[in-house]
Amino acid sequence: ETGVTQSPTHLIKTRGQQVTLRCSSQSGHNTVSWYQQALGQGPQFIFQYYREEENGRGNFPPRFSGLQFPNYSSELNVNALELDDSALYLCASSLATRNYNEQFFGPGTRLTVL
Amino acid sequence: DQQVKQNSPSLSVQEGRISILNCDYTNSMFDYFLWYKKYPAEGPTFLISISSIKDKNEDGRFTVFLNKSAKHLSLHIVPSQPGDSAVYFCAAKNSGGSNYKLTFGKGTLLTVNP
Repeated sequence: ETGVTQSPTHLIKTRGQQVTLRCSSQSGHNTVSWYQQALGQGPQFIFQYYREEENGRGNFPPRFSGLQFPNYSSELNVNALELDDSALYLCASSLATRNYNEQFFGPGTRLTVL
Repeated sequence: DQQVKQNSPSLSVQEGRISILNCDYTNSMFDYFLWYKKYPAEGPTFLISISSIKDKNEDGRFTVFLNKSAKHLSLHIVPSQPGDSAVYFCAAKNSGGSNYKLTFGKGTLLTVNP
């Protein structure tokens, strides 16, 4: 069984640029969630995708957008990067059933905005 | 407004002793609680969970206790081992919600000294 993978591991961008982060879900999982973890904070929910549709969004501006593909892999896109976007971005996959609550996280992508 | 609070940023214990990590929540809609462990440069790893219909869940050295009236949960690790040294996140969710968003605390850094 393959776990959640993310790419790239690290990324350095400058203010105003755009970035795309990628995530491959754990085998059999149909739901992917993205979280932002700033330094010294817990992960903050950005949004979730279920069967290629956005299924909930946290308190993040529209310049944070996402996609989920038929194979359940996912992308997080951030436009017009700001310094405060520097963080660890975590992808988590899960199986959307009533009694299944655990989410399984990838290792994250460390984004630095200069 | 932080709905999940871990008020101790760090905890240090001796190997073989008990580690107790605490978590408080404010949202009455939360009905499922999870603990994640995170090592540096890795994503959070699911550790143990508890539903609000229970007050205790045990898995080997790890036990989670839930006090619904106090909106408080704790994770007990007995006996503590040096390999348990990591950041521990408490997370909560509303199972009745339309998505599987997890709300995290800021984490507690546990150091187990040999």
